[in-house]
Parts: sequence; C-alpha cells; structure tokens
Amino acid sequence: GQNIDQPTEMTATEGAIVQINCTYQTSGFNGLFWYQQHAGEAPTFLSYNVLDGLEEKGRFSSFLSRSKGYSYLLLKELQMKDSASYLCAVRDQQGGKLIFGQGTELSVKP
Amino acid sequence: GAVVSQHPSRVICKSGTSVKIECRSLDFQATTMFWYRQFPKKSLMLMATSNEGSKATYEQGVEKDKFLINHASLTLSTLTVTSAHPEDSSFYICSAREIGVFEQYFGPGTRLTVT
Repeated sequence: GQNIDQPTEMTATEGAIVQINCTYQTSGFNGLFWYQQHAGEAPTFLSYNVLDGLEEKGRFSSFLSRSKGYSYLLLKELQMKDSASYLCAVRDQQGGKLIFGQGTELSVKP
Repeated sequence: GAVVSQHPSRVICKSGTSVKIECRSLDFQATTMFWYRQFPKKSLMLMATSNEGSKATYEQGVEKDKFLINHASLTLSTLTVTSAHPEDSSFYICSAREIGVFEQYFGPGTRLTVT
C-alpha cells in the first residue's frame, strides 16, 4: 500500500528554524516533492528531491534518504507569512501521479 | 512561469444538477492533467489522471460515471460532477504536467457547494 506520514501540526517562533519530517512507504518512487498551501489556495511548489542528500533553495532546504524512506523540509529565518500547510508528496513511478501526505499545519508565532 | 487556470473559482448548485469545472494550461501544452479533491484541513486526494486524447484513469473508489473527465486538447481538461449531492461539496484542484518536465503546476482550485 501507499503510506506517507507527517506531523499534523507544528508551532514555531518568528526568526527560528523548523524541521518538518515526512516518512513514506510506497510501491514505487520517482521523486519527493514539498508544497506549501495557504488556506483556500492551491499548493505551490517548494522543492524536489530524487537523489539522496540536501537541496537548498534560499530559506528552504529539503533532505532525502531513499533507504530510510525519509525526508525533511527545513525552514530558516521563519516569517509570519510562512504560516501554512506543508505537504509532502511522493511521485509514483507509473504515470507520474503524486501521492500526498496529510499535510503539516505550521503556525509561526511572534 | 507555467500557469494553470480553473473556472469557475466558486460554484453553488442544487442537489441533482451537474457542474462542469474547467482546467486550462495557459502557456504550455499539458500532456497529462490530474484532478484532486480536498476536504477541509485534509490533504489532496487524487481522483483521476487524464492524458490528452485518451480515457482518464480513475483512482480506486472514485466513480467514473459520477465524475466525468474529458481531456480534449493539450490545454484543456474538464471535470463534470453529475447529479451532485451535498457530500460532493469540496475543493477541487487540477494540476498539469508538460512532457519532459518533472514538476506539476496546480490550478487555483474550485470551491463546490451543493445545497
């Protein structure tokens, strides 16, 4: 079966660093995506990992370990506007469809 | 960058009627489009994958006769919710992928309310 797990919610302080973890067990693997979604809006792309290691993109970094079925999204220098839901998604090998985790609701406090 | 639009953004309809939602790729050719639905505070659930010119592939548990998908051109896919019921009320989001590009681009979503 397909299973992607993330914490349901997290709270962090403005200016701090937060790490959102994602573990997955899927029948196929062709890349892992992180998306940000504000309430009532469509998801926006943050990062993509297909090989093991760290991908850095400004304040956001994402890490992947395929052997452990594990990824994390690291957000640095948190801003209030970073309060949103963060979705981890695995791309299935067949057809390229994305399988989403339940999302992590991040609240950034002053 | 790649832009995907959806129309309408919000729709309210009466129980028993049908509603059509359009998904368009504005500046690229989308060989594959995906339809998702999302309940409040829940993640996106893939409903079906549609490839231009062929029948859609539906996920397990999704009724193909209720959710009709047509991908008639490389820039347009439509989802028709037939004989809508209140439990069909949800946020419907499409995404589009260009051949050879790894990323999917999401539309802004359509909020459907069935009364």
